Amino acid sequence: RKEVEQDPGPFNVPEGATVAFNCTYSNSASQSFFWYRQDCRKEPKLLMSVYSSGNEDGRFTAQLNRASQYISLLIRDSKLSDSATYLCVVNVEDTDKLIFGTGTRLQVFP
Amino acid sequence: DAGITQSPRYKITETGRQVTLMCHQTWSHSYMFWYRQDLGHGLRLIYYSAAADITDKGEVPDGYVVSRSKTENFPLTLESATRSQTSVYFCASSSSDRGTYEQYFGPGTRLTVT
Repeated sequence: RKEVEQDPGPFNVPEGATVAFNCTYSNSASQSFFWYRQDCRKEPKLLMSVYSSGNEDGRFTAQLNRASQYISLLIRDSKLSDSATYLCVVNVEDTDKLIFGTGTRLQVFP
Repeated sequence: DAGITQSPRYKITETGRQVTLMCHQTWSHSYMFWYRQDLGHGLRLIYYSAAADITDKGEVPDGYVVSRSKTENFPLTLESATRSQTSVYFCASSSSDRGTYEQYFGPGTRLTVT
């Protein structure tokens, strides 16, 4: 079993749609969780951290379910510029090392 | 505000040659990391460093060497390049001060070994 698993997609959605991605992780001792965004041939960029209480940043909402060991990302009112690959990221127990999922590709069309 | 930079951005080399990829950060972050990214594998950790003169292996360290004599620099050397090392290499850094572990990436080096 992979340490971080994501549906690779692609998710093809029209502008204005709401789309959700899920991710599962295997190590229950992980403490920090993130969503990164990666555009084609570019570096990953931190989109948002994920907290147990859930957190929102504009059109983006992230949720963490520790009991079920999954993380979600909800994007509302999708924009063309949201087209990218979204990486689910989990830290390795109490260390600074991160494990990256292989990503979920989102394509927003007009 | 340069942040984290990598050089060269593109490199073509021949099998058996030694290649060094450079990484420089201006944030004084204590941690630095080298990853490679290949289709189907996502980002895989090669080496990381918790501070100057402290380095440790990641998931895929074979064929690579690192050093960190200064906090801001973390070069990655391929001692004898092989075709399987053709990849995109990303350097990242993080500050462990806040205990949040988030990492910030350089723009990457696209390496082709012929």
